[in-house]
Amino acid sequence: GQQVMQIPQYQHVQEGEDFTTYCNSSTTLSNIQWYKQRPGGHPVFLIQLVKSGEVKKQKRLTFQFGEAKKNSSLHITATQTTDVGTYFCARSYGQNFVFGPGTRLSVLP
Amino acid sequence: DGGITQSPKYLFRKEGQNVTLSCEQNLNHDAMYWYRQDPGQGLRLIYYSQIVNDFQKGDIAEGYSVSREKKESFPLTVTSAQKNPTAFYLCASTSQRGTEAFFGQGTRLTVV
Repeated sequence: GQQVMQIPQYQHVQEGEDFTTYCNSSTTLSNIQWYKQRPGGHPVFLIQLVKSGEVKKQKRLTFQFGEAKKNSSLHITATQTTDVGTYFCARSYGQNFVFGPGTRLSVLP
Repeated sequence: DGGITQSPKYLFRKEGQNVTLSCEQNLNHDAMYWYRQDPGQGLRLIYYSQIVNDFQKGDIAEGYSVSREKKESFPLTVTSAQKNPTAFYLCASTSQRGTEAFFGQGTRLTVV
């Protein structure tokens, strides 16, 4: 019940194409966080969403929190090779974080 | 610079040996966590600690042990009881419930 799912598992895009990953929960989320992990690296926090319907932007990245607070999305406009990595969503659960399985993004130059 | 330091970055051990992974933070964070990541997989929680001298099992605690004698330190021991210990181990910390997690660089453990 506390798990979060992500789709797709993998995504291969041509440089310049857009990319979206989705995070879904069967229960209402108090918040959702997004992390990026470069190949061989460690997860790095990107953003936290708290409010229903919230939309936040970071340059080419757009983060959304669903109206029902059960889903979230990360959209990258015009991908670049620097966007390569795995994107995780995470929910806070009691005193812990529960991470989704991640979406691995490959960008072909 | 504030942050989380994990050492060593790479670790090789023989099967049947216990090994301890170090995690130190100077962020003054109360909560610390250990995660395991297998190739191409997500993060699975091994143990977490909210305060000194207290820690709780995560989803995959079997074969692992931890201690939290100091706020700054949360070492993880991979025991011989862990059947498949080869993995990437990540330590993280947070200042309070629900805020962002800061991760160390990770330790890549290979058991041969």
